[in-house]
Amino acid sequence: AQKITQTQPGMFVQEKEAVTLDCTYDTSDPSYGLFWYKQPSSGEMIFLIYQGSYDQQNATEGRYSLNFQKARKSANLVISASQLGDSAMYFCAMRGTMNRDDKIIFGKGTRLHILP
Amino acid sequence: NAGVTQTPKFRILKIGQSMTLQCTQDMNHNYMYWYRQDPGMGLKLIYYSVGAGITDKGEVPNGYNVSRSTTEDFPLRLELAAPSQTSVYFCASSRGQGNSNQPQHFGDGTRLSIL
Repeated sequence: AQKITQTQPGMFVQEKEAVTLDCTYDTSDPSYGLFWYKQPSSGEMIFLIYQGSYDQQNATEGRYSLNFQKARKSANLVISASQLGDSAMYFCAMRGTMNRDDKIIFGKGTRLHILP
Repeated sequence: NAGVTQTPKFRILKIGQSMTLQCTQDMNHNYMYWYRQDPGMGLKLIYYSVGAGITDKGEVPNGYNVSRSTTEDFPLRLELAAPSQTSVYFCASSRGQGNSNQPQHFGDGTRLSIL
């Protein structure tokens, strides 16, 4: 069965510092995708970054990068130079490709607080 | 671009009432999903659909029903509302199998309270 684990329920970080949000996963699919979403206090889900299981390089999108360690089954999100607007809930998600149902599952999330 | 549209945005129901949460998408996505998010928690999958006429149960399907008569629409029905169904409900869509790099597109959510 597929599983996503986010072990940090909450984090407090000083503005302008870098942040690493942890995500580990478990799957038997040989091919899968990993996603990170941001949910600000307004409630909408915002897609941030994607990493494919066969991608050779770690994904980057502006200040977001994904530290993908396939052997360890981890896909940590790194936010560089954090800003007050980064305060939000962050979810790691995984999607397999081999199963008919092709479900996307989410971790329980990490609430990030950026301190001025 | 409309994307995924959910209605209503807010609703209060009495115990035992029924209602349908509407979800429509204009991106021609095959896959659609319903999630619920309880306060301070992650998303739990209620039902999903891989195409018109096909639906499957997710993690927490009890108390809900869905249908998928068209590619665009994926309504979620609560037959006998219970306080435990108080939550925020998100509808999402994505491209189908073989497109694992495609993220889900989410609606803005429906905040439902059962009193």
